[in-house]
Amino acid sequence: KNEVEQSPQNLTAQEGEFITINCSYSVGISALHWLQQHPGGGIVSLFMLSSGKKKHGRLIATINIQEKHSSLHITASHPRDSAVYICAVKRGTSNYQLIWGAGTKLIIKP
Amino acid sequence: KAGVTQTPRYLIKTRGQQVTLSCSPISGHRSVSWYQQTPGQGLQFLFEYFSETQRNKGNFPGRFSGRQFSNSRSEMNVSTLELGDSALYLCASSLGGTTLQETQYFGPGTRLLVL
Repeated sequence: KNEVEQSPQNLTAQEGEFITINCSYSVGISALHWLQQHPGGGIVSLFMLSSGKKKHGRLIATINIQEKHSSLHITASHPRDSAVYICAVKRGTSNYQLIWGAGTKLIIKP
Repeated sequence: KAGVTQTPRYLIKTRGQQVTLSCSPISGHRSVSWYQQTPGQGLQFLFEYFSETQRNKGNFPGRFSGRQFSNSRSEMNVSTLELGDSALYLCASSLGGTTLQETQYFGPGTRLLVL
């Protein structure tokens, strides 16, 4: 079983829909990242979370440390949100591991 | 402010050769991390440099090495290339205060093909 699991693997939705992408992990972590990868390879770091909730524009990320679960929400989705969304967790301090989820491929249709 | 830049963008090498990739971080950023991305393994952490010192390392063989210069620019070297080294190599920079406890900004990557 992977230490970081994302769901769904693929998601297709209509423009305007509310999107939720989930990330569950089985290890103790010190931080969790959500990243966005657009076609062509460029990766943008969206959020770093260690507790609670963060919001940036139409993106909201939450984390529940006790339940080892994080969600990324997109409100009023738009075709330009189409990308792969990746959850990554940091484990350890020195010589840390950066454990990545497999990613969720999101397609927003106009 | 200019973003993270990586050169070259594309590279073709043959088995046994070595390659050096370069990364220039965002001005003022002191931490540079390197990642390998392949379709089968996803994104894997290679190492992180901060103030010219390797601060963290992933689980890659010694063929993969790096360094950082006083201006925070970083280079990654892969010696004795293998077919499996074909991948997109990504560099990310951050201010560097605390590893990964801050936003990392990624470059466009160098796509390496080993024949």
